[in-house]
Amino acid sequence: EDQVTQSPEALRLQEGESSSLNCSYTVSGLRGLFWYRQDPGKGPEFLFTLYSAGEEKEKERLKATLTKKESFLHITAPKPEDSATYLCAVRRATGGFKTIFGAGTRLFVKA
Amino acid sequence: GAVVSQHPSRVICKSGTSVKIECRSLDFQATTMFWYRQFPKQSLMLMATSNEGSKATYEQGVEKDKFLINHASLTLSTLTVTSAHPEDSSFYICSASPPRTYTYEQYFGPGTRLTVT
Repeated sequence: EDQVTQSPEALRLQEGESSSLNCSYTVSGLRGLFWYRQDPGKGPEFLFTLYSAGEEKEKERLKATLTKKESFLHITAPKPEDSATYLCAVRRATGGFKTIFGAGTRLFVKA
Repeated sequence: GAVVSQHPSRVICKSGTSVKIECRSLDFQATTMFWYRQFPKQSLMLMATSNEGSKATYEQGVEKDKFLINHASLTLSTLTVTSAHPEDSSFYICSASPPRTYTYEQYFGPGTRLTVT
């Protein structure tokens, strides 16, 4: 069964304290792995798409990497405005458009 | 970037009434839109896939007669919660994918907070 597991559930960092969020996945053929940011009471905001193992993408303080079993979202020198829930999702190569979301990691960055 | 809007952002209705939520893709045409439901501190649960000009595909356990989906045009999908009950209170979010064959990311609307009293 296709599954996406994110860890940790919550992460508290001091401003400037770099860390990584993990997304482990099992899917029958990966079409794409996605990272989203969600602020409270709002819809998710698209961050990255990764398609194959070894791929990396960066945006400001965020860097996403992908292996055959997991993805990491590295946050370098975070700021309080990076506080949000980060969602990981996968779309499989077959079975239409369905995207499976993980439960998310709630990130808190303290000044 | 691709922009998706939702209306209303918040709605309060009485038990037994129906509520319609609109989802629009503002700067692209979307042949497929998605409706999700999200409970507090939980992830997104796909309810249905909305296809322009055809019937929606509902996920297992989602009552199609209760959650009516209409995708009448390439930029508009609507979700109608019929005979709403307090347990239908939730955060409903729609999304759409731009019509490119090589990318599959979804762009989400801002969500609609439904409260049934």
